[in-house]
Amino acid sequence: DTAVSQTPKYLVTQMGNDKSIKCEQNLGHDTMYWYKQDSKKFLKIMFSYNNKELIINETVPNRFSPKSPDKAHLNLHINSLELGDSAVYFCASSQPGTVSGNTIYFGEGSWLTVV
Amino acid sequence: TQLLEQSPQFLSIQEGENLTVYCNSSSVFSSLQWYRQEPGEGPVLLVTVVTGGEVKKLKRLTFQFGDARKDSSLHITAAQPGDTGLYLCAATSNTGKLIFGQGTTLQVKP
Repeated sequence: DTAVSQTPKYLVTQMGNDKSIKCEQNLGHDTMYWYKQDSKKFLKIMFSYNNKELIINETVPNRFSPKSPDKAHLNLHINSLELGDSAVYFCASSQPGTVSGNTIYFGEGSWLTVV
Repeated sequence: TQLLEQSPQFLSIQEGENLTVYCNSSSVFSSLQWYRQEPGEGPVLLVTVVTGGEVKKLKRLTFQFGDARKDSSLHITAAQPGDTGLYLCAATSNTGKLIFGQGTTLQVKP
């Protein structure tokens, strides 16, 4: 069973469209994240949720809106897509307060290409 | 702003060679992690080091945390094509976020 799963894996869409990426984790973790990896492979945090509550919101355009319906799910909705949004988006989770609390478990990534 | 600088950024070597990847910062961290990301996949944790001077071994991979807990190195002995991937160091910042270095892309040719 995949611990952190996200869909879709590949997404090609036109500028101006609105799209969503879904994420689910079956690890029982309280904390979930969205990371963005650019073309230079730099991995940067976008959002972090703990038990459905937003705790980290980096300087991300407000076209990006995360939603956590429950602690096992964290979806990312992007409005009015721009060329610069093309990247790989990784969902991840962790369980703070445990021995492995700093370990981040990543999904396989969603490759977004805006044309 | 706390930063992690990795070097080299790219490394292409022949099978059987040894290599070392470095992760440096001007900040002190309570722990540091190394992840490996294979093409088409997400990063996967290799190791966490927490004590200054600590050395951990994972088969042919040796990880060291600097005495001052500001830097770390990853040494691979007798590299194999299966070691090919992106190696990322990461540490928890003083704001509680996990920050990543820019990564080292390793290619091991048969």
